Amino acid sequence: DADVTQTPRNRITKTGKRIMLECSQTKGHDRMYWYRQDPGLGLRLIYYSFDVKDINKGEISDGYSVSRQAQAKFSLSLESAIPNQTALYFCATRQGGINEQFFGPGTRLTVL
Amino acid sequence: QQQVKQSPQSLIVQKGGISIINCAYENTAFDYFPWYQQFPGKGPALLIAIRPDVSEKKEGRFTISFNKSAKQFSLHIMDSQPGDSATYFCAASNMNRDDKIIFGKGTRLHILP
Repeated sequence: DADVTQTPRNRITKTGKRIMLECSQTKGHDRMYWYRQDPGLGLRLIYYSFDVKDINKGEISDGYSVSRQAQAKFSLSLESAIPNQTALYFCATRQGGINEQFFGPGTRLTVL
Repeated sequence: QQQVKQSPQSLIVQKGGISIINCAYENTAFDYFPWYQQFPGKGPALLIAIRPDVSEKKEGRFTISFNKSAKQFSLHIMDSQPGDSATYFCAASNMNRDDKIIFGKGTRLHILP
């Protein structure tokens, strides 16, 4: 089955370090999203992209940046990680004109 | 205007019982209301969805009830099974307007064997 993959699956890092989370998809979808999940807060949108040239901020973009290197790849960077960025991070894809989003398996990030 | 309020935060139901999760929204421009199911260690996956032109949609043991005038919708799981234990998110969107899904905060459902 076509997949949305995320690397790494788990990461422990220290305050102030730069870290990149990567997302790849084989679904051929044009839209890609990055979400953050915290207990009791649900899924919050960080950034989303319509295509390689179109990047948009979501609800909680401060402290994060993204890069859409190709239609199939969307990376999330934390330039200087801080402990309150400890969370589960999910990448998702969607094909324009179709409502369903497909999520990756998530990356558990811990910032010490 | 953009919020989707979900309740309860957690729910425990006996095997064979009915699980009910409720959501309310404010933005009348929303035109698509999905429910996502998430098992531990996995990403959320679409379970069932409804549009506001119908009041109910049923897929197997899962039913969405939709009340447009009250701006509320709910998920009913009939004959709940231990395998239904998961976190459930309601959501709302108008993809033609701004390409974003607004998620509720989630309900952790536990079905007792």
